[in-house]
Amino acid sequence: GQQLNQSPQSMFIQEGEDVSMNCTSSSIFNTWLWYKQDPGEGPVLLIALYKAGELTSNGRLTAQFGITRKDSFLNISASIPSDVGIYFCAGRKTSGSRLTFGEGTQLTVNP
Amino acid sequence: GAVVSQHPSWVICKSGTSVKIECRSLDFQATTMFWYRQFPKQSLMLMATSNEGSKATYEQGVEKDKFLINHASLTLSTLTVTSAHPEDSSFYICSATKGDEQYFGPGTRLTVT
Repeated sequence: GQQLNQSPQSMFIQEGEDVSMNCTSSSIFNTWLWYKQDPGEGPVLLIALYKAGELTSNGRLTAQFGITRKDSFLNISASIPSDVGIYFCAGRKTSGSRLTFGEGTQLTVNP
Repeated sequence: GAVVSQHPSWVICKSGTSVKIECRSLDFQATTMFWYRQFPKQSLMLMATSNEGSKATYEQGVEKDKFLINHASLTLSTLTVTSAHPEDSSFYICSATKGDEQYFGPGTRLTVT
């Protein structure tokens, strides 16, 4: 099925650095979501975005819903070792409909 | 809260046998649950949408007779992998819808030998 284009695929950073990742799509989504998945676990919702242009923060995480509704980015500031994991973006076209996932960004944080 | 559990968390079975995986919404009712499969280093791929009291809707390429889904109550959906083969080995994850959001279970690691 369709997937979102998520980049970068992987990132290796030093503790304390900021991180940015993004997702793009050829079609419009009305909701953008960002999840984090730890090894052997299910994804955990980090941030949900419902309006084009919306900028939402959750602690050190900030995400934006692109004004074209075809993209979103996630920033993590002052990274710490527990930020390690795979980050997925997901888009949804209508309320209650299926999610379309990005390929994921593997984040490694070196202490 | 919105807690989703899965049971078992991991299972090993022999080729040709069937395995049932349960997905429960613990503190909310979910009319819709989703079943995903995830292979190593890949994203989640939707297998089917499970609606309480009705037949599941399967994604293209997913065999409905092989992956039996039952959503008999507002808090429980089950996925049965019938006549499992080694290629069915994967990480199976369910999610349950609460309001506008999907909340994911912890996943079930299936290994078919």
